[in-house]
Amino acid sequence: KQEVTQIPAALSVPEGENLVLNCSFTDSAIYNLQWFRQDPGKGLTSLLLIQSSQREQTSGRLNASLDKSSGRSTLYIAASQPGDSATYLCAVRRDSNYQLIWGAGTKLIIKP
Amino acid sequence: NAGVTQTPKFRILKIGQSMTLQCAQDMNHNYMYWYRQDPGMGLKLIYYSVGAGITDKGEVPNGYNVSRSTTEDFPLRLELAAPSQTSVYFCASSYYGLNEKLFFGSGTQLSVL
Repeated sequence: KQEVTQIPAALSVPEGENLVLNCSFTDSAIYNLQWFRQDPGKGLTSLLLIQSSQREQTSGRLNASLDKSSGRSTLYIAASQPGDSATYLCAVRRDSNYQLIWGAGTKLIIKP
Repeated sequence: NAGVTQTPKFRILKIGQSMTLQCAQDMNHNYMYWYRQDPGMGLKLIYYSVGAGITDKGEVPNGYNVSRSTTEDFPLRLELAAPSQTSVYFCASSYYGLNEKLFFGSGTQLSVL
């Protein structure tokens, strides 16, 4: 059974730092992996989607990597800003299955 | 472009009452989903639809029903509400299912007392 874990549950860093958020999954047979941002009262926004055949995806200051063999994905945020404060969730899609398996998220606070 | 619209934003129900959570999207997406999120947990799929007239169960369908009569609308019906259904409910959509980013509504916070 696929399980997705995000550690730590919360992270607080000063503005300007580069940081890495972690996502671990137990079954390497995945179809793709997505990173989402959740803001209070505003739902979720998809940030990056990595296909199983890809190693990384980049969007602006965000870079997501995928290592299926080790069951890990990381979300790298460069030059963090207070506006990056949010909860970040990762979700794994199993082969040819519409169901996403979600991590519980990492709540990120960027201190000015 | 409104995206995915959910109503209501908040609702309090008494045990045994019923209600419908509304979801509409204006992006001509084929796939629509209902998720619930409990505090400190990841999202769990309740039902999904791959097109008008087609629905299927997700991970936690018990106590819920859905219909998809049009491409735009995907309402979620709660029958005989129970305290275990207290949660935040999110509707999402995508053009196709497997390789597309999901677009989410802003959520409905439901309390059953």
